[in-house]
Amino acid sequence: LAKTTQPISMDSYEGQEVNITCSHNNIATNDYITWYQQFPSQGPRFIIQGYKTKVTNEVASLFIPADRKSSTLSLPRVSLSDTAVYYCLVTGRRALTFGSGTRLQVQP
Amino acid sequence: EAGVAQSPRYKIIEKRQSVAFWCNPISGHATLYWYQQILGQGPKLLIQFQNNGVVDDSQLPKDRFSAERLKGVDSTLKIQPAKLEDSAVYLCASSPLRDLGDYEQYFGPGTRLTVT
Repeated sequence: LAKTTQPISMDSYEGQEVNITCSHNNIATNDYITWYQQFPSQGPRFIIQGYKTKVTNEVASLFIPADRKSSTLSLPRVSLSDTAVYYCLVTGRRALTFGSGTRLQVQP
Repeated sequence: EAGVAQSPRYKIIEKRQSVAFWCNPISGHATLYWYQQILGQGPKLLIQFQNNGVVDDSQLPKDRFSAERLKGVDSTLKIQPAKLEDSAVYLCASSPLRDLGDYEQYFGPGTRLTVT
């Protein structure tokens, strides 16, 4: 299984940029890195996915270095509604493993 | 576009009873997943279907859990008999068939199971 490691929790304030780093040392050549967001009592929601370098969408950016052994999810100017658990996931041929995620708390 | 539908949303049963969950994926999505999420933990994959075939069921406790996906559309997950440790949220997700690793999973709202 492609194991990922993330910080257990992070705190931030409204309007700040938040960067959550995930390590995935045994990522395989065909694997992608995918991030999900989960609110209480809801299923996870797809945020962003990438293979290498940088990917940006309307919600977040994903930075992946050349060795692909880690990745960083960047949330620009967070708001209170961004308080959630964020999961880094390596998707590929092998079984899908979510890990425990990073609990982000945004304060006013 | 309708999302992933699951029912029931909540279920309370006594240990040793049986229970079944139903999932209707997004139309056209070839791949369907069942996850178990215990409070405070990330989702754990139980079984993955591609169309009506099983891709991965390595983490499914086969002595008590079973799942099927008839005709490659709807799916049911059954637990028989239930144990206290089966108390969790059961999530169904689907994804379109794309390149290996390159896909998004769309999750349903989940079924919260309480075993007493």
